[in-house]
Amino acid sequence: AQSVAQPEDQVNVAEGNPLTVKCTYSVSGNPYLFWYVQYPNRGLQFLLKYITGDNLVKGSYGFEAEFNKSQTSFHLKKPSALVSDSALYFCAFSSGGSYIPTFGRGTSLIVHP
Amino acid sequence: GAVVSQHPSRVICKSGTSVKIECRSLDFQATTMFWYRQFPKQSLMLMATSNEGSKATYEQGVEKDKFLINHASLTLSTLTVTSAHPEDSSFYICSARHTQGAGEYGYTFGSGTRLTVV
Repeated sequence: AQSVAQPEDQVNVAEGNPLTVKCTYSVSGNPYLFWYVQYPNRGLQFLLKYITGDNLVKGSYGFEAEFNKSQTSFHLKKPSALVSDSALYFCAFSSGGSYIPTFGRGTSLIVHP
Repeated sequence: GAVVSQHPSRVICKSGTSVKIECRSLDFQATTMFWYRQFPKQSLMLMATSNEGSKATYEQGVEKDKFLINHASLTLSTLTVTSAHPEDSSFYICSARHTQGAGEYGYTFGSGTRLTVV
């Protein structure tokens, strides 16, 4: 079955340090890959997506993600973490532009002051 | 653009009563909306796809008589949890699909509803 995996339940990072939230995918063909963020008791907010083209995708709030086909990964990164980045992050995929994304289990990011 | 409003944000109800949750697209027409359920520290589980003017499509294992979905207009879908029980307590999130170009869609999420059944 096609899926995305987020191997870490939680990521801890100090404010100002770079952060990485990992995602690997098992999707046939050319997947559409997404990152969403969820703040406590809120809905999901779209961060970025990869469809085709440049493997490095830049998104909202200074986040970026790199599509790596050989490693089947789509890790989310930010050069300098903020305490306000603390939230739940979801990687997602779809099989095409007309298909609703399917979400990974989520990774809780905690940025310490 | 593409703003979705979900109401209420929190609701507490007694066991056996019904609760209605509304999902509105504020600045676009949404022929298709989606309802998710999220358990604590878990991912979103797609419950059903709501199509304007037609019956909702439920995912396997979701009781359609328990979770009634109505999508009577292009800007409003409602989820009614009927005869609610404590195990229905959860965080419910709606999403509305909007076009972003030829064959491309975007998905905007509501802010969610925390349902507690006591």
